[in-house]
Amino acid sequence: KAGVTQTPRYLIKTRGQQVTLSCSPISGHRSVSWYQQTPGQGLQFLFEYFSETQRNKGNFPGRFSGRQFSNSRSEMNVSTLELGDSALYLCASSPGQGRYGYTFGSGTRLTVV
Amino acid sequence: AQKITQTQPGMFVQEKEAVTLDCTYDTSDPSYGLFWYKQPSSGEMIFLIYQGSYDQQNATEGRYSLNFQKARKSANLVISASQLGDSAMYFCAMRENQAGTALIFGKGTTLSVSS
Repeated sequence: KAGVTQTPRYLIKTRGQQVTLSCSPISGHRSVSWYQQTPGQGLQFLFEYFSETQRNKGNFPGRFSGRQFSNSRSEMNVSTLELGDSALYLCASSPGQGRYGYTFGSGTRLTVV
Repeated sequence: AQKITQTQPGMFVQEKEAVTLDCTYDTSDPSYGLFWYKQPSSGEMIFLIYQGSYDQQNATEGRYSLNFQKARKSANLVISASQLGDSAMYFCAMRENQAGTALIFGKGTTLSVSS
């Protein structure tokens, strides 16, 4: 059974640019969540999509956005990149709520220069 | 206030020894779930174990067990018979049902296992 696939693995962008990260969840999983991990702030929840609808959102500025397609694949976009956006971005998929654990991908490491 | 507190930045243990990683949490939601994840240097978060707030028994998964003390709001992870491959960062996380599906993570504990 294929796991959660995140692309690309590594990315270097310049301040002011925008970036799009992709996440393909486990087949059959309809929920996709995104997290940002930095040394200073740790792991923080960005947002969650379920059946193409944003179901939950963390405390991040509007520069961070996402979407989910009908095949459950999800993308997150960060516009007008800042140095502080440098982080490991993790995607997690789940079949739904309840006692299910979230399966995470290996992440996309974004460096903003 | 921190919702998930992991007070041990680093732990050192020898192979085959048992180790306990501490986690305390704070919530007023009566329905919540507690998770432990392992993050090796590769970056992937690996799900280890889950405990629901209404579960009567402590969760166990192979060498992992969760020492759940609800009144003290603690959910410590116990790893029996440590192995070199257990060296990694370990995160405790909570999902509050009233808050939806977001996981709130602690700062993590780095576990180093030596031979």
